[in-house]
Amino acid sequence: EAGVAQSPRYKIIEKRQSVAFWCNPISGHATLYWYQQILGQGPKLLIQFQNNGVVDDSQLPKDRFSAERLKGVDSTLKIQPAKLEDSAVYLCASSPGAGAYNEQFFGPGTRLTVL
Amino acid sequence: DQQVKQNSPSLSVQEGRISILNCDYTNSMFDYFLWYKKYPAEGPTFLISISSIKDKNEDGRFTVFLNKSAKHLSLHIVPSQPGDSAVYFCAAVDSNYQLIWGAGTKLIIKP
Repeated sequence: EAGVAQSPRYKIIEKRQSVAFWCNPISGHATLYWYQQILGQGPKLLIQFQNNGVVDDSQLPKDRFSAERLKGVDSTLKIQPAKLEDSAVYLCASSPGAGAYNEQFFGPGTRLTVL
Repeated sequence: DQQVKQNSPSLSVQEGRISILNCDYTNSMFDYFLWYKKYPAEGPTFLISISSIKDKNEDGRFTVFLNKSAKHLSLHIVPSQPGDSAVYFCAAVDSNYQLIWGAGTKLIIKP
């Protein structure tokens, strides 16, 4: 079974530029998560999708971050414009069911550096 | 305000000995806890979990203990192996059914 795929693996941009990350979850997984992990901290949930609907985006900085999940499968996370404090690893995870009691399967992440 | 705390950024243990990783939480409403393991350049992978109705859960070399009165849980790895060298995250399920993560503990197994 293929795991969660993410691209790109690394991205370096200058502040005020825009960037987009892509995630392909495990086939059949209805729930998709985007997390932000700043160096030295644990992952922080940005947004959760159930199929193609948003379940929780309370911690997503909506003035600059946006995310969508087309047809309930792939997802993209966009930052526009980027700030220095957005430098982090962006992790995508999927799970077969909703709720954190279900095991989440993570992709390798995209490491973003904002200069 | 960190609701889940892993106060040891790193831990070094001799191969074959027991590794004990600790985690404290502040919210007594948390009712489910998970440990994830992360290798460099990879995403976290689920390791073991425990419900608040239990005080111990075991899976092979891995055992998680929960002390609700102290709001403390620990992960025991016996015996420790070189492949166990990784960052270990403790996480709790909050009232919104989301994971609240600790900052992680880097475990180094010395040969």
